[in-house]
Amino acid sequence: NAGVTQTPKFQVLKTGQSMTLQCAQDMNHEYMSWYRQDPGMGLRLIHYSVGAGITDQGEVPNGYNVSRSTTEDFPLRLLSAAPSQTSVYFCASRDNTGYYEQYFGPGTRLTVT
Amino acid sequence: RKEVEQDPGPFNVPEGATVAFNCTYSNSASQSFFWYRQDCRKEPKLLMSVYSSGNEDGRFTAQLNRASQYISLLIRDSKLSDSATYLCVVTSGTYKYIFGTGTRLKVLA
Repeated sequence: NAGVTQTPKFQVLKTGQSMTLQCAQDMNHEYMSWYRQDPGMGLRLIHYSVGAGITDQGEVPNGYNVSRSTTEDFPLRLLSAAPSQTSVYFCASRDNTGYYEQYFGPGTRLTVT
Repeated sequence: RKEVEQDPGPFNVPEGATVAFNCTYSNSASQSFFWYRQDCRKEPKLLMSVYSSGNEDGRFTAQLNRASQYISLLIRDSKLSDSATYLCVVTSGTYKYIFGTGTRLKVLA
């Protein structure tokens, strides 16, 4: 199992550009989520999905869109990048049963100039 | 008050020492609790889930105190490789996870 994979690892955007951060998992997990991590702050939930076709907002959803057309993939779209979106983005998925532990991808470092 | 609070540290301890971290949470309805480890510029990795009865995994022991709303992590016989940031995570409802800002640990030779 590859676990949770994310691409790209690094990205630099200009203000106003759009892009999609990719996330995939091969563990057949129903629940997937996106977080951003900024210095001095804990990871903050952007959006999450409890299964294909179902998404919901987290704590900081503004400026981001998601969709979930398959169990495996959960892309995060930045509609019009702003410097405030400079951050490290982590995707995670969680076990379907048990204690619902989350497992994270390696992250995408995004800089918006 | 933050939903999850941790002492940011850093905790500088010698090899072989025992170190303990606490984490307080504000939502008394939280059901699941975790400790994650995060190395510099890496993703968080699950260290332990924290069960009501407490649990141990090798040198690591986690405890939950629901009455006082805190969880703890004890590391015995610290190794250089334990140097990292330790994140406390608490669930909010069924689908949301609240992260603390982390406690930095540096184990010194």
